[in-house]
Formats: sequence, C-alpha cells, structure tokens
Amino acid sequence: RKEVEQDPGPFNVPEGATVAFNCTYSNSASQSFFWYRQDCRKEPKLLMSVYSSGNEDGRFTAQLNRASQYISLLIRDSKLSDSATYLCAVNAGDNFNKFYFGSGTKLNVKP
Amino acid sequence: NAGVTQTPKFQVLKTGQSMTLQCAQDMNHEYMSWYRQDPGMGLRLIHYSVGAGITDQGEVPNGYNVSRSTTEDFPLRLLSAAPSQTSVYFCATNQLNRGEQYFGPGTRLTVT
Repeated sequence: RKEVEQDPGPFNVPEGATVAFNCTYSNSASQSFFWYRQDCRKEPKLLMSVYSSGNEDGRFTAQLNRASQYISLLIRDSKLSDSATYLCAVNAGDNFNKFYFGSGTKLNVKP
Repeated sequence: NAGVTQTPKFQVLKTGQSMTLQCAQDMNHEYMSWYRQDPGMGLRLIHYSVGAGITDQGEVPNGYNVSRSTTEDFPLRLLSAAPSQTSVYFCATNQLNRGEQYFGPGTRLTVT
C-alpha cells in the first residue's frame, strides 16, 4: 500500500468554481502535512501547511481529518492561474523530517 | 539569495556512465534531500541528510550515492547509469524539524 495516495485527476472546472482535493495517508503516527503546487516542468512550491485546526489562506483552505487519515485542499473562486498539479506531503511517523509525497492531482481551470 | 540551485539542468548519459548531480543551498538549512519524479509515481525520496557528515537512505537508494561534507552542498552520484534512472531529480532543503521544504529547479536526466 502506498504511504500517500491522491486522485490524479484531471479536475476540469470553470473559472469561479469551488474544487476540493483529498489526500489519504497510511501511517497514523504522521504528524506533519503540507500541500505543494507544481507547475508544468517546474519544481514543487509550498502552498500551505495543514494544521490540526485547519488552515486558511485567502481562497485556499486546508484541513486534516486524523480519524479517517486524510487531508483536504479546498480552492474557492478558481482562477485560470490555479491550473497546476497539487501534491500532498506527509511525514514518516518515525522521522519528522522524512516525507512521502502523493503523485499529485492535476487541476485545469477553464475560462 | 539564490535559495536552492541544481546543476546541470539537463543531462544525457549512456548506460554505464557515471555522473554527479550538484545541489547547493544558501538558506543555512540543516536538512537536505534528493527526490526523483517519474510520471504517475510522484516524488520518491532517494537519500537525505540531517547535517554535514550524516546521510541516510530513502525509499529508492539503489544505484545512487551521496555525501555531505558541508552544510551548503549535497551532491548525488550515479555510479553506473541505467535507463531506469531516466527521471527528473529534485533537491530539497528544510530547517530541521520544520517540514516546509524548498526545492531546486530540478535536473532532467535521460539515460540511453
């Protein structure tokens, strides 16, 4: 079983739509969670951290569900510029600094 | 500040050749790691280091060596390149016990 799993998509949505992605993880001892954005042929860039209490940054909201072992990313009022692949990262339970990444969810925002 | 730099950007190798991918950072981060990214596989950890002189294996270490003689540099060596090592390689850094990672621009490697 993979440590971290994501729906590869693509999610095709119109501008202005709300879209949500989930990322499931297998190790219940994981403590640290992040969302990264990756544009085509570029490096991943940190989008936001995911705290136990949730985290909101403008149009982006990240949440953690420990009971079901998943994190989510909600994007409101989608922009064309949000088109990218979104990767989740979860740390190994026995090593805070070692991370497993999902394979990414591709988002296409259409005019 | 340059952040995290990687060289070369592109490389083509023949099977059996060796080479070193360079990674340097000026962020004074203790933790550095190497990932490879293949279509549909996401980022997979090859090796990582928690500081100068300390390295450890990740998920897919076979065929790769690393060393960390300074805080700033973390080179990745391919000992005898194989077509299965065709991939995009990313170096990343973070402060110890702070999970936010910063990635270099990547090296696209093709092994023929």
